[in-house]
Amino acid sequence: ETGVTQTPRHLVMGMTNKKSLKCEQHLGHNAMYWYKQSAKKPLELMFVYNFKEQTENNSVPSRFSPECPNSSHLFLHLHTLQPEDSALYLCASSRIVLNTGELFFGEGSRLTVL
Amino acid sequence: GQQVMQIPQYQHVQEGEDFTTYCNSSTTLSNIQWYKQRPGGHPVFLIQLVKSGEVKKQKRLTFQFGEAKKNSSLHITATQTTDVGTYFCAGPPNSGYALNFGKGTSLLVTP
Repeated sequence: ETGVTQTPRHLVMGMTNKKSLKCEQHLGHNAMYWYKQSAKKPLELMFVYNFKEQTENNSVPSRFSPECPNSSHLFLHLHTLQPEDSALYLCASSRIVLNTGELFFGEGSRLTVL
Repeated sequence: GQQVMQIPQYQHVQEGEDFTTYCNSSTTLSNIQWYKQRPGGHPVFLIQLVKSGEVKKQKRLTFQFGEAKKNSSLHITATQTTDVGTYFCAGPPNSGYALNFGKGTSLLVTP
């Protein structure tokens, strides 16, 4: 149990589907993040939210749409994805959005785009 | 932008041998963090180093931060099969808030 819960753990979708990934943190943190992890690539930051406000969008294609209704929940809405978007999507949280201090990761959502 | 580079990419050792992974940055880092990801798992925080020349130990793991705060290393003494996984270093970006992760070093330990 990491304190950061992601659902679903596995998702298979076609390129025309619309789906969402959900992340919930039970740690009382104020910052939440989406990272993408592909084979042979470093962890890629996608989005950063601080107190529900988006502070960073790391040049992510518009087919990925984040939503942060409150400091405990983070969503990643997916539509018209490409096969190269298949990856492990990791949600993380931290006490505050500074580049120091521990990141707590969820177990990830393994996405396969057919 | 600032990047952290890790070497080696892979390391295969016999149980009981030592292991070291190195992390280098082109710019001075205010801090550096290390994470471990087991196969099929998610990254888990190990440690953060902040001071120049800092050395911290966690049982068989020794972490160092270089004097110039541009490099760091993780050394594992007498590896065990439980050490298997990928070890990532992460440093703060030149701008923005979120960490930049290295590509990681994947450690395989055979009994």
